[in-house]
Amino acid sequence: EAQVTQNPRYLITVTGKKLTVTCSQNMNHEYMSWYRQDPGLGLRQIYYSMNVEVTDKGDVPEGYKVSRKEKRNFPLILESPSPNQTSLYFCASSLGGASYNEQFFGPGTRLTVL
Amino acid sequence: AQRVTQPEKLLSVFKGAPVELKCNYSYSGSPELFWYVQYSRQRLQLLLRHISRESIKGFTADLNKGETSFHLKKPFAQEEDSAMYYCALSRYNQGGKLIFGQGTELSVKP
Repeated sequence: EAQVTQNPRYLITVTGKKLTVTCSQNMNHEYMSWYRQDPGLGLRQIYYSMNVEVTDKGDVPEGYKVSRKEKRNFPLILESPSPNQTSLYFCASSLGGASYNEQFFGPGTRLTVL
Repeated sequence: AQRVTQPEKLLSVFKGAPVELKCNYSYSGSPELFWYVQYSRQRLQLLLRHISRESIKGFTADLNKGETSFHLKKPFAQEEDSAMYYCALSRYNQGGKLIFGQGTELSVKP
């Protein structure tokens, strides 16, 4: 089944403890992106990647890192999580870039930073 | 700066009533606009995009460049339309950034 998967789906951690949220797609998509969803703010783009080894900042990149070593994977790394990064995170992918192309979303990862 | 505004957090209508979810944007270039929908316990998914000029599940949206709007409309709401709706903007032929509005929760009552 063509899909975007994220792991873990739920995570509770403490301030400063490095964590990685994985994202994988099996559709051979070039474009991948990370968003966070917060009440009243909608979805805000954190980072995106147009292809392998090509990444760029979205609107809220502070405190996050990403890498794109393989086409199918786009992990989100929080080197030193803080409580203001408590949020619902979505990964998405599409055939080409964000314009024209339908974004396929993962199920979301709910992160709580204590 | 690019921005997408959905002024209503919650829109509540009765079944069979017309629905209009508002979306306004600010962008000086040529925008690509989308509506995404998230039904309860489902993933966010594309509903429609302005470039396709299509009607999906009875919904339509027209890009009005003069008013910088992309309102989503349906003449007769159904209970299964209850969901969270997001308007999104991308810059024409510049593939990276996708900007979402704050979202509008549509509740269709029987």
